[in-house]
Amino acid sequence: NAGVTQTPKFQVLKTGQSMTLQCAQDMNHNSMYWYRQDPGMGLRLIYYSASEGTTDKGEVPNGYNVSRLNKREFSLRLESAAPSQTSVYFCASSDQPKEGNIQYFGAGTRLSVL
Amino acid sequence: RKEVEQDPGPFNVPEGATVAFNCTYSNSASQSFFWYRQDCRKEPKLLMSVYSSGNEDGRFTAQLNRASQYISLLIRDSKLSDSATYLCVVSGGSYIPTFGRGTSLIVHP
Repeated sequence: NAGVTQTPKFQVLKTGQSMTLQCAQDMNHNSMYWYRQDPGMGLRLIYYSASEGTTDKGEVPNGYNVSRLNKREFSLRLESAAPSQTSVYFCASSDQPKEGNIQYFGAGTRLSVL
Repeated sequence: RKEVEQDPGPFNVPEGATVAFNCTYSNSASQSFFWYRQDCRKEPKLLMSVYSSGNEDGRFTAQLNRASQYISLLIRDSKLSDSATYLCVVSGGSYIPTFGRGTSLIVHP
């Protein structure tokens, strides 16, 4: 049982390049999330999808777009990467509301924008 | 004021010590409370949920004080492997959990 799978694990981009971070879960969870984590800042929510077909902005959505492709997959796109987007990105899913919003995380994507 | 606040530490303790962390939250309507553990450069993982009556899992005890709006985590007989960052998480009726910035624990021989 893989849980939450993120690809790629590492990525280096040049300013202005675009890329898509992929996330898939095999736990049949309704809700999925994208976070970024920076030193001293904790986890900050970028976007979330409460259920298939819906997406909503979180705390720091600027510069990002998301797609809930189906129940399993939730992707995060950087259209024009900036150095400020250098961070560790985590995808998570939850069986909200059954488990009180317990989050299950992927291993993360470490992104550097030069 | 941040919605969920934690002392960042680090808490530096010897093996075998007992250590306690607190976390305060601002939203009195919060319904679910959790402690997560995050090892260096790894993803957060659920350590334990926190219930109103308090709960224990081996060396770990979590408690909730709704009147004062804080939750606590007590670790007894600390092990080297307990070294990590401990994240407090609070969730209301929405789909959005709120994470604290974490408390760093270092257990030394």
